[in-house]
Amino acid sequence: QVQLVESGGGVVQPGRSLTLSCAASGFTFSRYTMHWVRQAPGKGLEWVTFISYDGGTKHYADSVKGRFIISKDISENTIYLQMNSLRTEDTAVYYCARGGLETYSDRTDYWGQGSLVTVSS
Amino acid sequence: DIVMTQSPDSLAVSLGERATINCKSSQSVLYSSNNKNYFAWYQQRPGQPPKLLIYWASTRESGVPDRFSGSGSGTDFTLTISSLQAEDVAVYYCQQYYSSPITFGQGTRLEIK
Repeated sequence: QVQLVESGGGVVQPGRSLTLSCAASGFTFSRYTMHWVRQAPGKGLEWVTFISYDGGTKHYADSVKGRFIISKDISENTIYLQMNSLRTEDTAVYYCARGGLETYSDRTDYWGQGSLVTVSS
Repeated sequence: DIVMTQSPDSLAVSLGERATINCKSSQSVLYSSNNKNYFAWYQQRPGQPPKLLIYWASTRESGVPDRFSGSGSGTDFTLTISSLQAEDVAVYYCQQYYSSPITFGQGTRLEIK
């Protein structure tokens, strides 16, 4: 069965960096687009970024562009979210989600349990 | 960016009654070349990640009870729960995946009356 397990969250000071990981299993990882979506405490869902199945296309929300970097390691079946210059407004639960099969215009059908990132001094 | 606006923000319905949630997109999410609406509905129960319910506006995800149905096209969409069950208490989100950035509605909180 499809499993997505996020790790790497924690408390970090404003301006510092943190990297999240999402380990995937139960499907052919190399054929799927992967997303990060976040949810601030008590708020709605905000899409953050995706990386296409072949790693050749990456899109970012304006709120994180230039600060966050998504990457994937096919040999490890893992995606990463490197978060730099963190701000208090980046505090959220970060979800990893599976996107489309060999396309990035598709729904997100499986989600991890999420990893909490708290940016605070 | 495509803005997704849900209505109402919250809804209280009696057990066994119908619940209807609406979502409007600021521009069409219907792709004319394949006649598909790039639109989905998600359910998020307290303390849980979102769960996909409906995609392509009206296709029910595997394992989702048939009391959940989606309708609409272009810019106006509806999620209907035909007979509300206690386990349906959740926040429901609409999403467009027609263009980047992917965007979600603000959410509709569904409670039992």
